Amino acid sequence: GAVVSQHPSWVICKSGTSVKIECRSLDFQATTMFWYRQFPKQSLMLMATSNEGSKATYEQGVEKDKFLINHASLTLSTLTVTSAHPEDSSFYICSAPKQGAGGYTFGSGTRLTVV
Amino acid sequence: QKEVEQNSGPLSVPEGAIASLNCTYSDRGSQSFFWYRQYSGKSPELIMSIYSNGDKEDGRFTAQLNKASQYVSLLIRDSQPSDSATYLCAVNIVSSGGSNYKLTFGKGTLLTVNP
Repeated sequence: GAVVSQHPSWVICKSGTSVKIECRSLDFQATTMFWYRQFPKQSLMLMATSNEGSKATYEQGVEKDKFLINHASLTLSTLTVTSAHPEDSSFYICSAPKQGAGGYTFGSGTRLTVV
Repeated sequence: QKEVEQNSGPLSVPEGAIASLNCTYSDRGSQSFFWYRQYSGKSPELIMSIYSNGDKEDGRFTAQLNKASQYVSLLIRDSQPSDSATYLCAVNIVSSGGSNYKLTFGKGTLLTVNP
């Protein structure tokens, strides 16, 4: 139980375009979703926390106008990288708290390459 | 001081040996501690969670927590080549606003188990 489905698993886009990443909770309601970014050989860095029906909370240094987060329903949170640049190339991962059991469940990640 | 610190390694052990992974954290108020395993290009998967001082065993894995020393460790007994991966220590740390927790990761320790 507590599965988060993340799509796409990889995407290549041109510089200046926008890319949307989706995370869906399949068998539970995710009122909160965490969005992480991981550069090669680095750890996961929290970008923002989305809460269903309210504005996302962004970590210091993360541009909220560039990384648009929408959490319009209890089963879907999206991250849109707007006007992507090569430096945005990274591994993006979503995560939701598990209900009751404690801990967190992670999506399978999205490898974004901006060319 | 970084919030969650790990020796980045790499750590290399022979098959059948005990691998010892260590982690320290800065927030004395933290209550939840996790060890994740991450294979290259994949999302993290939970190995162990620990919430109380002492040891917690699950198969070949033992997590140890010492809140007074702000230290958490993971022991892997009878290490197997399939255990070769990056191990991430993660701690729930109070966010800057003070009202929520965020899961904060260490940089990870790369473990290689040699056949």
